[in-house]
Amino acid sequence: DQQVKQNSPSLSVQEGRISILNCDYTNSMFDYFLWYKKYPAEGPTFLISISSIKDKNEDGRFTVFLNKSAKHLSLHIVPSQPGDSAVYFCAASASRGGSEKLVFGKGMKLTVNP
Amino acid sequence: DAEITQSPRHKITETGRQVTLACHQTWNHNNMFWYRQDLGHGLRLIHYSYGVQDTNKGEVSDGYSVSRSNTEDLPLTLESAASSQTSVYFCASSPGLAGGYEQFFGPGTRLTVL
Repeated sequence: DQQVKQNSPSLSVQEGRISILNCDYTNSMFDYFLWYKKYPAEGPTFLISISSIKDKNEDGRFTVFLNKSAKHLSLHIVPSQPGDSAVYFCAASASRGGSEKLVFGKGMKLTVNP
Repeated sequence: DAEITQSPRHKITETGRQVTLACHQTWNHNNMFWYRQDLGHGLRLIHYSYGVQDTNKGEVSDGYSVSRSNTEDLPLTLESAASSQTSVYFCASSPGLAGGYEQFFGPGTRLTVL
């Protein structure tokens, strides 16, 4: 049973436009969410996170929105750049339950076209 | 600079052989994790450790073992390699509850089992 879902395997956008990556989760115990970015032949790198006590967190061009009632989060990249082309993973943790593990989605490949 | 390294970066082995993948981190993190990445599955947790002498099974632990004799290292052993274990393996570490949930990943080991 997949607890973190990234239902769209890929997204293609034009440079300068907004990229919106979506993630849904099923476990109501999840209270901390992260986005990772992965280039080919490299390990994932941490991008941005959000705690369940917030509904938005912003870091430069990257903003993560959390809708707890819908069990949905999204990553917005504005403006998108060709260097943003990568696979993006959504991850979640049930920190209140003492877990320090992360559960990852399957990833979504973002392509930003010049 | 602190870092997390994996060795070897590429490994080809035969079915039935024992294989050990190394992971070494210099951040002095309490937590260490092993994942495998496969097409269509994202990142799946194999084993994890919250400190020296502590090890725990993840969602895909069958056929794998780990041991944690010091803070810096968490080697992953495939007792008898199988073709189904052909994958890319990532090691990660995190500070722990007080330091945050973000995990820092190594560059990965690509393992092929023939």
